[in-house]
Amino acid sequence: AQTVTQSQPEMSVQEAETVTLSCTYDTSESNYYLFWYKQPPSRQMILVIRQEAYKQQNATENRFSVNFQKAAKSFSLKISDSQLGDTAMYFCAFMKQGNKLVFGAGTILRVKS
Amino acid sequence: EADIYQTPRYLVIGTGKKITLECSQTMGHDKMYWYQQDPGMELHLIHYSYGVNSTEKGDLSSESTVSRIRTEHFPLTLESARPSHTSQYLCASSEYGATQYFGPGTRLLVL
Repeated sequence: AQTVTQSQPEMSVQEAETVTLSCTYDTSESNYYLFWYKQPPSRQMILVIRQEAYKQQNATENRFSVNFQKAAKSFSLKISDSQLGDTAMYFCAFMKQGNKLVFGAGTILRVKS
Repeated sequence: EADIYQTPRYLVIGTGKKITLECSQTMGHDKMYWYQQDPGMELHLIHYSYGVNSTEKGDLSSESTVSRIRTEHFPLTLESARPSHTSQYLCASSEYGATQYFGPGTRLLVL
């Protein structure tokens, strides 16, 4: 069975600094998708970034980028120039066969001014 | 921003009541999903649908039921609510092999 592990329950970062959130996963599939979702306090879950496993190039979306290491089954999220609005719970997710998502336990990120 | 809606946003109800949580999307997505999320915890898939008249149970066992009579509508029903059903319920939709877009969620409290 596929599993997703986020080993950091909570992280803090100063405004304008860079932070990296860790995620590892376990699967026997060769083609899959990986996601980072953001859930601000009492607000809607939104997509941060997505990575297709067959692509070697790491995905980037503005201040958000990933370090995808397929052999190590690692998928970390780097947030550059952190902003107060980045404060949220971040979930790493693996899309398994059938278009179903398996989520990690989440990392609470607090951006401090 | 994805167009997926859930009502009610908050619901407090007594034990034994029947409830229906509504979810609708205007994107024409074939696939829809229901997740259950306890506060500060990960999401667990409880139901999904690949199209009209198609429904399947997810990875987490749930006493709720779902129906998919129209593409845009995927309601979830609890015939007899219990305190153990207290949780947040999130609806999502997607096209095949694509990103899932989430609704705002319904926070359910069963007294």
